[in-house]
Amino acid sequence: GQQLNQSPQSMFIQEGEDVSMNCTSSSIFNTWLWYKQEPGEGPVLLIALYKAGELTSNGRLTAQFGITRKDSFLNISASIPSDVGIYFCAGQLSRGAQKLVFGQGTRLTINP
Amino acid sequence: DGGITQSPKYLFRKEGQNVTLSCEQNLNHDAMYWYRQDPGQGLRLIYYSQIVNDFQKGDIAEGYSVSREKKESFPLTVTSAQKNPTAFYLCASSIGKVNIQYFGAGTRLSVL
Repeated sequence: GQQLNQSPQSMFIQEGEDVSMNCTSSSIFNTWLWYKQEPGEGPVLLIALYKAGELTSNGRLTAQFGITRKDSFLNISASIPSDVGIYFCAGQLSRGAQKLVFGQGTRLTINP
Repeated sequence: DGGITQSPKYLFRKEGQNVTLSCEQNLNHDAMYWYRQDPGQGLRLIYYSQIVNDFQKGDIAEGYSVSREKKESFPLTVTSAQKNPTAFYLCASSIGKVNIQYFGAGTRLSVL
């Protein structure tokens, strides 16, 4: 199946640092979603993006729907230990599309 | 509380045995999904269902079966034909044309 190119695959940062990750594709997407998964749990929705160029924040998290509709970015400011986990992007190719396309995930590790 | 409940949290399968993973949702969502997640990997779609009594194969349906007799329930059976069943299984549901999926807490299946 189709997948999104998510990078980086892993990040090791110090507490307090800012984090950036992105997803890219050769296809145009109608919706972008960002999820966080903690060990042994299911992914939890962080941010949903619906329009090209849209910038949406959720606390210290900010995500953007790329202007070309082929990419999306997630930034985390001033990281804290509870930010540890795997972050997934997901895209819906068209409104009404029955499936999501997922990235491979970015594993975030924070050194206190 | 509204949500998606997966059970059991941990499941062990013997050689040649079929096992069934439960997924129940009280969100009144129309669509339900099953994903498989291997260590360090992204999510791979096994089966999905848009309405009661109808379901479609995902990318890795071989060795699995599902049913959708009720809107609230979408059980997954891992059959003996699935030779490498050890993985983390996630159930999700969504509603409407914007396919925002909400996930359960997952079931970890291991082989004895």
